[in-house]
Amino acid sequence: SQQGEEDPQALSIQEGENATMNCSYKTSINNLQWYRQNSGRGLVHLILIRSNEREKHSGRLRVTLDTSKKSSSLLITASRAADTASYFCATPPNRDDKIIFGKGTRLHILP
Amino acid sequence: DTGVSQNPRHKITKRGQNVTFRCDPISEHNRLYWYRQTLGQGPEFLTYFQNEAQLEKSRLLSDRFSAERPKGSFSTLEIQRTEQGDSAMYLCASRQTGDGYTFGSGTRLTVV
Repeated sequence: SQQGEEDPQALSIQEGENATMNCSYKTSINNLQWYRQNSGRGLVHLILIRSNEREKHSGRLRVTLDTSKKSSSLLITASRAADTASYFCATPPNRDDKIIFGKGTRLHILP
Repeated sequence: DTGVSQNPRHKITKRGQNVTFRCDPISEHNRLYWYRQTLGQGPEFLTYFQNEAQLEKSRLLSDRFSAERPKGSFSTLEIQRTEQGDSAMYLCASRQTGDGYTFGSGTRLTVV
């Protein structure tokens, strides 16, 4: 079953602009993770935010978590061509160990 | 290279044949996961191991699928009597408890 759902499904922006992707989930969580996947490749772990955290930064990435709304957002600032990829949120539902992925947001950075 | 390694990168097989994929996790990681991903979808959980013990199997993992991690190190995923619907990217990941997942580059299976 699908735990996380990303929004929008696809996003195209100009290089240099900021990109925001959202994730909603269904059950209580211990943490939420964001991953990037370049076309035809494996996934790269970007950031993990725990349920007791509200915001986390890593380089040009900023992740927020609102457990009351069961939602998270990923902001990529000053986008670059290399940021073109699919972005997935993933959560371990119900204190389970495995993580469940959404369908992802396909981000395309226009030159 | 200390990442997760998957072999082969690509596999083309005829329908009805058996295939086996291998995953070598990061050596100090005790947990190993298999996922399957089809085009335009997110990865779907198949199974995971803690050391050599297989702790959970998805209902997606039919009787034709079997996974092992005999010594708690590398793992194999075997698909018997492959079907065209098995065509997908098979992803392996490992982690230490409490950390994020490290994924391999995947094995792309095409059943013709």
